[in-house]
Amino acid sequence: EPEVTQTPSHQVTQMGQEVILRCVPISNHLYFYWYRQILGQKVEFLVSFYNNEISEKSEIFDDQFSVERPDGSNFTLKIRSTKLEDSAMYFCASRETSGTSGGQFFGPGTRLTVL
Amino acid sequence: GDSVTQMEGPVTLSEEAFLTINCTYTATGYPSLFWYVQYPGEGLQLLLKATKADDKGSNKGFEATYRKETTSFHLEKGSVQVSDSAVYFCALTVNQAGTALIFGKGTTLSVSS
Repeated sequence: EPEVTQTPSHQVTQMGQEVILRCVPISNHLYFYWYRQILGQKVEFLVSFYNNEISEKSEIFDDQFSVERPDGSNFTLKIRSTKLEDSAMYFCASRETSGTSGGQFFGPGTRLTVL
Repeated sequence: GDSVTQMEGPVTLSEEAFLTINCTYTATGYPSLFWYVQYPGEGLQLLLKATKADDKGSNKGFEATYRKETTSFHLEKGSVQVSDSAVYFCALTVNQAGTALIFGKGTTLSVSS
């Protein structure tokens, strides 16, 4: 069964460093998302991406964050200068169709630890 | 704004017990509603969904009915198993363009044999 994959599973970085989290969405999906979950808190939406551009972003997704689909398969989230409060589990998701009826398929997550 | 409220956990049950996890929502439009499950060490998996009022979503013995009058989408299962131990998230989408999911805080279910 096709699935969303994410690498690395765990990333440790120093405050102020740049990190890139990588995702490979399901191959025929058209909509891509990043969410994060700070330990003990709810899953929060960061950004959605369609047709090579951002379609929606939350207040969390400030200038420190960027997303890119550099080729036909990868979807990346870059944090330019990490802060302690960026420590969280980051989930990538993808969806095939437009509208609200289709569910999003999630990857296993990348745990980011900022020291 | 749009939001989802779930019952606080953890919920601890014996095998074969009946499960209910309450979920209520606030939304300005006409949301689609979802339940996701997260098994230990894994990502979020779509468990079931309902896209309009009175729809019932079902999967793996779990059910939830979209109740517009009570703005609820409670998750139920008649007989839980140890393998159902996980965190359950209720979620909604209302935005047609970006369809961002709005999640509840999650409810941890622990089933013992």
